[in-house]
Amino acid sequence: AQSVTQLGSHVSVSEGALVLLRCNYSSSVPPYLFWYVQYPNQGLQLLLKYTSAATLVKGINGFEAEFKKSETSFHLTKPSAHMSDAAEYFCAVSDRGGGFKTIFGAGTRLFVKA
Amino acid sequence: EAQVTQNPRYLITVTGKKLTVTCSQNMNHEYMSWYRQDPGLGLRQIYYSMNVEVTDKGDVPEGYKVSRKEKRNFPLILESPSPNQTSLYFCASSLAETDIGGYTFGSGTRLTVV
Repeated sequence: AQSVTQLGSHVSVSEGALVLLRCNYSSSVPPYLFWYVQYPNQGLQLLLKYTSAATLVKGINGFEAEFKKSETSFHLTKPSAHMSDAAEYFCAVSDRGGGFKTIFGAGTRLFVKA
Repeated sequence: EAQVTQNPRYLITVTGKKLTVTCSQNMNHEYMSWYRQDPGLGLRQIYYSMNVEVTDKGDVPEGYKVSRKEKRNFPLILESPSPNQTSLYFCASSLAETDIGGYTFGSGTRLTVV
């Protein structure tokens, strides 16, 4: 069975500081991994995805994530936080791609201080 | 514009009164899914559909029904809503079951059952 654990339900950073949101997964097969972002009163938007091509994945808005099989991790980073990055972020895992039986983490809310 | 459209955005209803939340996508996607989002639990899959007339249960299907008579539409039916179904609901679609592109989400339906 697959599962996703996001460490920290809330993360607070100062504007300009590094953003690090942690995600660990469990999967019995090579996983597909995703990060989604949810802005207030909106649906989720795909931020980036890992599909076994490159282990370092670049997404929209300057975010990137690195797949580390040995650590079963897929942490999301951004070198310099912007106020507009304040949102909730969800890590997700699937064994067949973007749809079927995608399992989501509980989410991490990112706060950005001026 | 490619999108998933859910209606209504907000709904307050009373226990036991049947309701339907509609979902429509204009991307000719085969795979569609319903999720509910609750604080601290992330998104949990209710039902999914791999194509017309093909549906199956997700992780939390009790109290819900779905149908897929047309490719573009995937309504969620609550025959006898109860207060524990108060939640934020999302419809999502992807090109196919094995598509690695990730989901496109609707804007959500906030349901309150009193």
